[in-house]
Amino acid sequence: SYVLTQPPSVSVAPGKTARITCGGNNIGSNSVHWYQQKPGQAPVLVIYYGTDRPSGIPERFSGSNSGNTATLTISRVEAGDEADYYCQVWDTTSASYVFGTGTKVTVL
Amino acid sequence: EVQLVQSGAEVKKPGESLKISCKVSGYSFTTYSIGWVRQMPGKGLEWMGIIDPGDSDTRYSPSFQGQVTISADKSVSTAYVQWSSLKASDTAMYYCARHVYGSSSNWFDSWGQGTLVTVSS
Repeated sequence: SYVLTQPPSVSVAPGKTARITCGGNNIGSNSVHWYQQKPGQAPVLVIYYGTDRPSGIPERFSGSNSGNTATLTISRVEAGDEADYYCQVWDTTSASYVFGTGTKVTVL
Repeated sequence: EVQLVQSGAEVKKPGESLKISCKVSGYSFTTYSIGWVRQMPGKGLEWMGIIDPGDSDTRYSPSFQGQVTISADKSVSTAYVQWSSLKASDTAMYYCARHVYGSSSNWFDSWGQGTLVTVSS
């Protein structure tokens, strides 16, 4: 089955840029979606189709994808961005959702 | 406004049965599939399966095939997941989410608030 690997944690100072990676075999050929999950809350979609933002998601959130790595970038990080972030692809081979292992973003 | 409202927390004993629900509003229930996602304590997201409420066509993750049953009732715009015999390892938060079919991929664009299931003797 397809595996998506994320770093367990990323720390960033307020106002700086956080980059969260999602590794998978030739992931650049897939569309990657990203979710934010704050403590005690349900996940929220922040990026779909790799680069698109749903209504209400700040422009500070952006995505990229190439080769074996997809990246979620959070610019001008705020304290409210502290959360777990998950990448996700749709595995067409098995017709199933695959979630990444998740990354905890800590704002210093 | 799209809303997915899940049933309340449950505390059950091993071996008991359970059915939790996800009632949707703000859109036509049969237009989008509904998925279920498990999150065990302190762990990540695991996809369980999806159901097309229009025809009740259901697809399960291999990890959950035979362990749960996903269903839907169009008359009340509600999706369900049920267990016939709970185990302690079923203790988790369960989320429903609206499944979007894209041209080349699929994702969940709206989520329920979650239902906490605790299985303990």
